[in-house]
Amino acid sequence: GIQVEQSPPDLILQEGANSTLRCNFSDSVNNLQWFHQNPWGQLINLFYIPSGTKQNGRLSATTVATERYSLLYISSSQTTDSGVYFCAARGGGSQGNLIFGKGTKLSVKP
Amino acid sequence: NAGVTQTPKFQVLKTGQSMTLQCAQDMNHNSMYWYRQDPGMGLRLIYYSASEGTTDKGEVPNGYNVSRLNKREFSLRLESAAPSQTSVYFCASREAGGVDTQYFGPGTRLTVL
Repeated sequence: GIQVEQSPPDLILQEGANSTLRCNFSDSVNNLQWFHQNPWGQLINLFYIPSGTKQNGRLSATTVATERYSLLYISSSQTTDSGVYFCAARGGGSQGNLIFGKGTKLSVKP
Repeated sequence: NAGVTQTPKFQVLKTGQSMTLQCAQDMNHNSMYWYRQDPGMGLRLIYYSASEGTTDKGEVPNGYNVSRLNKREFSLRLESAAPSQTSVYFCASREAGGVDTQYFGPGTRLTVL
């Protein structure tokens, strides 16, 4: 099945800095989602982005399906952006479940 | 519209005890999922249900059973809890079609002593 790898595993930023998180996947995907797991453990949907580019406020994401990677951009980071960012993908023919990467733990310092 | 709800939020069990985790969604989704998350890991699929009346095993089904009670509800049962089942459990439902998005509940933090 699909394998999902995320980098970097950990990231420490000063408030106001920008960052790029990367997600590589091993096969073609029908679904790719980015989630933010906040310090209370809640998983928050950020983007559904199997291909193309989307933006939502300070966050944007780009998936290049032909090259099997996705990027999540965070601009002007805030302390509330801290947490773990997960990329998850679903391949064709699967039962619909998502395969998760191990996440990028982001800490934004004031 | 509450989305996906889970009960309980926290639970402590002794080895060998049984319990059922409840999940409900009000988005009229056909597919529902149970995942577990262990420290430093992403989520792994335990069981899923593609539609009412059907269930199938995922990546880590051993020690669990599920019931798709109706379209809204999907429960996960631990018959004889083991310390290896200490984890955070997430339920999700899936909106199929043009925007194929999964929505997650708030999670149940389970500790087995």
